[in-house]
Amino acid sequence: AQSVTQLGSHVSVSEGALVLLRCNYSSSVPPYLFWYVQYPNQGLQLLLKYTSAATLVKGINGFEAEFKKSETSFHLTKPSAHMSDAAEYFCAAFPGPDDKIIFGKGTRLHILP
Amino acid sequence: DTEVTQTPKHLVMGMTNKKSLKCEQHMGHRAMYWYKQKAKKPPELMFVYSYEKLSINESVPSRFSPECPNSSLLNLHLHALQPEDSALYLCASSQDDRPAGELFFGEGSRLTVL
Repeated sequence: AQSVTQLGSHVSVSEGALVLLRCNYSSSVPPYLFWYVQYPNQGLQLLLKYTSAATLVKGINGFEAEFKKSETSFHLTKPSAHMSDAAEYFCAAFPGPDDKIIFGKGTRLHILP
Repeated sequence: DTEVTQTPKHLVMGMTNKKSLKCEQHMGHRAMYWYKQKAKKPPELMFVYSYEKLSINESVPSRFSPECPNSSLLNLHLHALQPEDSALYLCASSQDDRPAGELFFGEGSRLTVL
């Protein structure tokens, strides 16, 4: 069965430092992949998505992610963290039509002043 | 601003009450979803409606009763809930008429069952 693993339930970075949130998926067929962000007391918002068009995907708020088939990874990065980036981040995989999206357990990003 | 609107934002109810959560979207999306999210956990799928018909029920207890009156509205009727049902209930929609990965979420309704 398809699964999504996010390494680290909590990640802390200093303001201005690189953000790296890790996500690995398990599948012999690369699924569609997504990163969602959830700010406190809000719903989830799509940050970016991979749908096989390009391996480097740019999203909102300066985030990007790179799909690496050989590593079955889809890590999320941002060159310079901002205090407003503090939130919960969910990696998700969508195997295909007539299936349902599978969320990772989430990573809480803390930004240190 | 989210284009999926959920009301109420907060709801407190007793175990014998009957209440409803409401969700509305005006993006012309064909599929609508209910998710349940407990603290520090990812969302868990409850129901999916496609073209106003229930297409997925993730073995949700009957004390939760979904309803899709039209393509823009989705309700979740609540009756005889348990304290463990306290959670954030998220509505979402997607453009495709089948379950999809790109979901548009509302801000959620935070439910507390006493």
